[in-house]
Amino acid sequence: AQKITQTQPGMFVQEKEAVTLDCTYDTSDQSYGLFWYKQPSSGEMIFLIYQGSYDEQNATEGRYSLNFQKARKSANLVISASQLGDSAMYFCAMREGRIQGAQKLVFGQGTRLTINP
Amino acid sequence: GAGVSQSPSNKVTEKGKDVELRCDPISGHTALYWYRQSLGQGLEFLIYFQGNSAPDKSGLPSDRFSAERTGGSVSTLTIQRTQQEDSAVYLCASSFRTGESPLHFGNGTRLTVT
Repeated sequence: AQKITQTQPGMFVQEKEAVTLDCTYDTSDQSYGLFWYKQPSSGEMIFLIYQGSYDEQNATEGRYSLNFQKARKSANLVISASQLGDSAMYFCAMREGRIQGAQKLVFGQGTRLTINP
Repeated sequence: GAGVSQSPSNKVTEKGKDVELRCDPISGHTALYWYRQSLGQGLEFLIYFQGNSAPDKSGLPSDRFSAERTGGSVSTLTIQRTQQEDSAVYLCASSFRTGESPLHFGNGTRLTVT
C-alpha cells in the first residue's frame, strides 16, 4: 500500500529565508509520480510541482524545487526566498502506477507553514 | 470564471437526509475527480471519471455514496442517508488529461451532518 509521510505538522520561518518541507513515501511500484499542493486558508488546493519517478533531474518551478532522492524515497519541497503569501498548508501526494493512469492521489497529512515578517 | 466551480459552498443537513453536491469542471478537461478532506482521514480519493469510460469508484467509502457525470461535463456526488462521519469538505478536481497533468481543484463543499 502507498503511504506518504510528512513529519512536520507545523513550521515557522522568517520572511525571505529558504524553507524545506519534508516528504517521504513508500511504494513498491517502479512507476509513480509525486506532487506538492498548497492549500491557503481559502481552501483551494493549488498545484505547485510534479516529479516523475523516472525523471533524472529535480523538478523546479520558479521559487519551488523538489529535492528528489529516490533511494531514500524522499521528495522534499524547497521554497526559496519565502514570502508572506507562502503561509498555507502544504501537501505531498503520490500517484502510483503508469504515467497515463488516473491521479488517484494518496496525500500526506500536511505541513502548516507560517511565514513571519 | 475559468476555474472548477462547486456548489453549494456550505451544506448543513440532518442525519439521515440525502444530499447532492455539484461540480462544474474546467471546460475541455476530460478527467474529473472527487476527493474528501476530513480532520480524521485527511484527503481521500473517492471517484474518478475519464471521458465516456466507466468511472473508477474504488474510493467510495460505502454504497450510500454515488456520483454521475452528465455529458462529460458537470458531475453530481450524492450521499444518501447521511451520517455524522460524512461531515467533511468534498473537493472536486479536473485535469486536461490523466497522468502528470496537474489537478485543478475547486474550493470545495463543506458538508456538516447534524
